[in-house]
Amino acid sequence: NAGVTQTPKFQVLKTGQSMTLQCAQDMNHNSMYWYRQDPGMGLRLIYYSASEGTTDKGEVPNGYNVSRLNKREFSLRLESAAPSQTSVYFCASSITGAGETEAFFGQGTRLTVV
Amino acid sequence: GESVGLHLPTLSVQEGDNSIINCAYSNSASDYFIWYKQESGKGPQFIIDIRSNMDKRQGQRVTVLLNKTVKHLSLQIAATQPGDSAVYFCAENLNTGFQKLVFGTGTRLLVSP
Repeated sequence: NAGVTQTPKFQVLKTGQSMTLQCAQDMNHNSMYWYRQDPGMGLRLIYYSASEGTTDKGEVPNGYNVSRLNKREFSLRLESAAPSQTSVYFCASSITGAGETEAFFGQGTRLTVV
Repeated sequence: GESVGLHLPTLSVQEGDNSIINCAYSNSASDYFIWYKQESGKGPQFIIDIRSNMDKRQGQRVTVLLNKTVKHLSLQIAATQPGDSAVYFCAENLNTGFQKLVFGTGTRLLVSP
């Protein structure tokens, strides 16, 4: 059982480039999330999808877009990368809302914007 | 404001000791709390959770205590092992519409053999 799979694991972008981070879960979870983690800080919610077909902004959505492609997949897109977006990005999923049950996390994508 | 914080950024213990990691939360309406463990290069991993109608919950070698009066959460790890070395995060559910978790900044636990 793979759980939550993120690709790529590492990425270096130049300022202004775009890219999409992919996330897939095989646990039949309804809800999916994207977080970013900066050094010395906790995880901050970027966007979430409560269920297939819905997406909502989290705490730090500026500079990002998301797509809930189907129940399994939830992608995060950076249209014009900025150095401030250098971070480790985590995708997570849960059966319902994160507060109902535990959220399962992927291994993370380490993104550097130069 | 809405925040979750930890008192000690780094905790160093000897193998076999009991460890206590503390967390303060600010939102009195939060109704669900989780402790996560994050090892280097990995995503957070669920350890234990507790709902606001409970004061204590025990798992295997771990106990979470919730004091709603002072908005304080703690994680106790019994007989700490080197494999317990990691960063530990507490997270609270703000219970504002769709339930989202707000994470604290984390405490690094270092276990010496």
